[in-house]
Amino acid sequence: DAKTTQPNSMESNEEEPVHLPCNHSTISGTDYIHWYRQLPSQGPEYVIHGLTSNVNNRMASLAIAEDRKSSTLILHRATLRDAAVYYCILRGLQGAQKLVFGQGTRLTINP
Amino acid sequence: KAGVTQTPRYLIKTRGQQVTLSCSPISGHRSVSWYQQTPGQGLQFLFEYFSETQRNKGNFPGRFSGRQFSNSRSEMNVSTLELGDSALYLCASSGRTDSTGANVLTFGAGSRLTVL
Repeated sequence: DAKTTQPNSMESNEEEPVHLPCNHSTISGTDYIHWYRQLPSQGPEYVIHGLTSNVNNRMASLAIAEDRKSSTLILHRATLRDAAVYYCILRGLQGAQKLVFGQGTRLTINP
Repeated sequence: KAGVTQTPRYLIKTRGQQVTLSCSPISGHRSVSWYQQTPGQGLQFLFEYFSETQRNKGNFPGRFSGRQFSNSRSEMNVSTLELGDSALYLCASSGRTDSTGANVLTFGAGSRLTVL
């Protein structure tokens, strides 16, 4: 499974944008980039995914580099509820449920 | 609709015992997978079931087993418990791959196992 690299931790202030980077230099052409997050005392939850183009949903935006070797999850206005561990994961098309989680980025939001 | 339900939420066992954890997937989801989460190893894939068949297995000893029933509910079993089996065990379910190519997993809140 292709590997991703994320910073161990990041900190931001409430109501400010947050950019969470992810490097995936060995991504294959059919790998989708998925982001999940895990809030304290909960299981991971899906945030967003993309293949080549930038994507937006109600939770976040995903910016994918042109060479697809990196991506950035963007939280446009962070709230205290966004404090979580964010995982960037690569999945093949029709991927099985085996997700390879790295250590993720622990995001702290300051009030 | 109801999410993924895992029972029990918390349990304490002693070394050598065995434990069975249960997972009820989202209605209509036929794929169920299990993960182990520990502070040292993070989230690790245990196994995946689809239509009562194990489709994929992670790198865990044979003491870890699972099964899936015809209603898609799943159980995992750990026999001869060791201290290192103390962890949060997470179950996830998914349905069909959608038009964007996504096959989103929905996780339960987990079963926290403590082995003494």
